[in-house]
Amino acid sequence: AQKITQTQPGMFVQEKEAVTLDCTYDTSDQSYGLFWYKQPSSGEMIFLIYQGSYDEQNATEGRYSLNFQKARKSANLVISASQLGDSAMYFCAMREPVSGSARQLTFGSGTQLTVLP
Amino acid sequence: DTGVSQDPRHKITKRGQNVTFRCDPISEHNRLYWYRQTLGQGPEFLTYFQNEAQLEKSRLLSDRFSAERPKGSFSTLEIQRTEQGDSAMYLCASILGTGGNEQFFGPGTRLTVL
Repeated sequence: AQKITQTQPGMFVQEKEAVTLDCTYDTSDQSYGLFWYKQPSSGEMIFLIYQGSYDEQNATEGRYSLNFQKARKSANLVISASQLGDSAMYFCAMREPVSGSARQLTFGSGTQLTVLP
Repeated sequence: DTGVSQDPRHKITKRGQNVTFRCDPISEHNRLYWYRQTLGQGPEFLTYFQNEAQLEKSRLLSDRFSAERPKGSFSTLEIQRTEQGDSAMYLCASILGTGGNEQFFGPGTRLTVL
């Protein structure tokens, strides 16, 4: 079963408008972390925002906010006031306490966002 | 530049050749990760180092793959007898183990096996 599901392969948004990128996750752990990364065409993964499973408030970082609904196991990314430079691939990822010590990230398949002028 | 660096950025090789990639993490970061990203997919975990010790390996890391971090600083990932299916972006990430949540990623090495 997929641990991270991003159901939107591609999204379009008009410049200056807000957009929501969907992410659902699957875990049986109580302690976990959720991340969003941006990957422009250059390839580098850029960290955007983090939400811990015990955090009661939704995380915000500038124009990015994470709509965390624990019971529904969803962690949607909201980008407000979209800019042309926001056009990129966006990945949702989860870090769980696993049996080993690695605590690596598990990524979804991504959403390609295109901001239209 | 104090971020994670990777070398080379691009590598084209013929099937059957060996290749080696290098990752230089952020200097004080003791944890280092290698991921592989194929076209249209998210990165997948390959292996993890804490200091010089390789503590975890994914089942994706076949016997043809080997990774080292000899002095707990830079790391190398070697692929022997490359196959066309090895064509991918290889990403390195580092994190300070005692705190922080964000894994800092390098720019990646894009491997093409002809």
